[in-house]
Amino acid sequence: KQEVTQIPAALSVPEGENLVLNCSFTDSAIYNLQWFRQDPGKGLTSLLLIQSSQREQTSGRLNASLDKSSGRSTLYIAASQPGDSATYLCATPSGSQGNLIFGKGTKLSVKP
Amino acid sequence: EAQVTQNPRYLITVTGKKLTVTCSQNMNHEYMSWYRQDPGLGLRQIYYSMNVEVTDKGDVPEGYKVSRKEKRNFPLILESPSPNQTSLYFCASRRDSDYSPLHFGNGTRLTVT
Repeated sequence: KQEVTQIPAALSVPEGENLVLNCSFTDSAIYNLQWFRQDPGKGLTSLLLIQSSQREQTSGRLNASLDKSSGRSTLYIAASQPGDSATYLCATPSGSQGNLIFGKGTKLSVKP
Repeated sequence: EAQVTQNPRYLITVTGKKLTVTCSQNMNHEYMSWYRQDPGLGLRQIYYSMNVEVTDKGDVPEGYKVSRKEKRNFPLILESPSPNQTSLYFCASRRDSDYSPLHFGNGTRLTVT
């Protein structure tokens, strides 16, 4: 059964820093991997989705990479801003495409 | 506006009193799903539906029921709620495609006393 781990659970950085969030998974036979952002008291917003055949996806200051052989994905945030403060979660299907497994998230705080 | 709408946003109820949390999407998505989010446990999938009249259990289906009679609606039913079902619940939807991202509702905070 797929397990998804995100380390660290929390991260605090000064504004302007480039940073990397990590996501690891135990079963490398994945269809895709998705990164989300969750603001307090809100639902999740999809940031990037990487297909199993892709190595990376980019959207603005965000870049997500996928290495299936090592069971890892990273989310790179360039030039961080206080507005980036949120919890970031990754998720991938387990078994059937319908059954999504989430990591517990990394809570990011960007200090002005 | 494309969205997933859950109702109610907040609900306080008592043990054993049947309740339904509604979820509706206006994007003609085939796939819909319910999750609960608990501190320290993260997001866990309750049920999902790949299309009308097709539903499957997620990781924590006990104590919950769902139905998918129409494409746009996917209600979550708690026949006899218990305090351990106190949680933050999210509904989500997407197209039936590998390339489709998941869209979430804003959540329903349920308290069972």
